[in-house]
Amino acid sequence: SQTIHQWPATLVQPVGSPLSLECTVEGTSNPNLYWYRQAAGRGLQLLFYSVGIGQISSEVPQNLSASRPQDRQFILSSKKLLLSDSGFYLCAWSVQTGGQGEQFFGPGTRLTVL
Amino acid sequence: GENVEQHPSTLSVQEGDSAVIKCTYSDSASNYFPWYKQELGKGPQLIIDIRSNVGEKKDQRIAVTLNKTAKHFSLHITETQPEDSAVYFCAAFIPYKYIFGTGTRLKVLA
Repeated sequence: SQTIHQWPATLVQPVGSPLSLECTVEGTSNPNLYWYRQAAGRGLQLLFYSVGIGQISSEVPQNLSASRPQDRQFILSSKKLLLSDSGFYLCAWSVQTGGQGEQFFGPGTRLTVL
Repeated sequence: GENVEQHPSTLSVQEGDSAVIKCTYSDSASNYFPWYKQELGKGPQLIIDIRSNVGEKKDQRIAVTLNKTAKHFSLHITETQPEDSAVYFCAAFIPYKYIFGTGTRLKVLA
């Protein structure tokens, strides 16, 4: 069966510090991968998605970046965190069907920027 | 542009009553509509979905309906239980993105 991992589970970082969040998927090949951010009590904001290694699409201009160095690994990064980067970061994957497909979420990383 | 509107934002029902959450999407190219349940501090969990060639789908106490002409789809939960209390999100898929609604906080009162 497929499993999606995210780490760390929680993170507290000072303003201006760098960020690296990692997501890995097991049990499937060539998935579509996604990063979302959820502010407290709010909906899901799509940040990035990837349909293959090295292929990243950005949805929201910001100081965050994403990379996909391996087929089942997705990394979210920042060189300098802002207070507004605080939130619940969710990684998700879906099957590469080219059309409609179920999407599954990881457990999330709660980031607090102080 | 791509948009999904979801109503209501909060919903309180008595245990045993039914709950209905409604969504409207804007992009006619959308062909897949999942619903997610999110409990506090956890990632969303897929609970039911419907594809554009189907008008209704049911799974035990949960059902989803789709009206493609009106671009509406709805989640119906019957015989609600306290464990149904959570935030529910609808979404519409257009390759390769999922556009999410803003969520509905459902409270089932015992």
